[in-house]
Amino acid sequence: SAVISQKPSRDICQRGTSLTIQCQVDSQVTMMFWYRQQPGQSLTLIATANQGSEATYESGFVIDKFPISRPNLTFSTLTVSNMSPEDSSIYLCSVDTAGLGNTIYFGEGSWLTVV
Amino acid sequence: AQSVTQPDIHITVSEGASLELRCNYSYGATPYLFWYVQSPGQGLQLLLKYFSGDTLVQGIKGFEAEFKRSQSSFNLRKPSVHWSDAAEYFCAVGASYGGSQGNLIFGKGTKLSVKP
Repeated sequence: SAVISQKPSRDICQRGTSLTIQCQVDSQVTMMFWYRQQPGQSLTLIATANQGSEATYESGFVIDKFPISRPNLTFSTLTVSNMSPEDSSIYLCSVDTAGLGNTIYFGEGSWLTVV
Repeated sequence: AQSVTQPDIHITVSEGASLELRCNYSYGATPYLFWYVQSPGQGLQLLLKYFSGDTLVQGIKGFEAEFKRSQSSFNLRKPSVHWSDAAEYFCAVGASYGGSQGNLIFGKGTKLSVKP
């Protein structure tokens, strides 16, 4: 398994501000993913972040709103920019420890409330 | 396109009773299949996964799931539910090949309540 730490675990943010979420993994992984879980909903993939390349965004998500960094094989950040109440969600980092698509672990999530 | 259906939004079972949570998927090849559990205020914990081999897979906390290709199903079971199993359960499918490996499509989840 993998130990995935996310910071912050919870935050209350003001409308119009930006917040950066950090994801730290206890082992080197090639593929990292960011998901969003809106209140009462399932998880939706925001983007795939592989070290050494630009993040790949899913339909409906854009880099200006959700810039992602992946400086090394154990760390990634997701920024939620110019937040609105609709951005109130749990943001989860996940990793594929085997690199084969069949061993996927999630962090504890970052619970953001935008007021 | 890949999709996952969890037809039951909310299930209530008595403690000690058996449990089956349904999951159907749509995918053009043999998928990777996962069950995750999310307790209130927590992240996702991997219960079990299937990607090849024996179609009956054992997971943590006494859970098991059976992959049935003919029915495109991957139902989660537990013979005797404990009060601590109350949580939301998510079924997910992942690509078994290609550049989309590792990103998962999730069902909408089934909330499990346990009666004393």
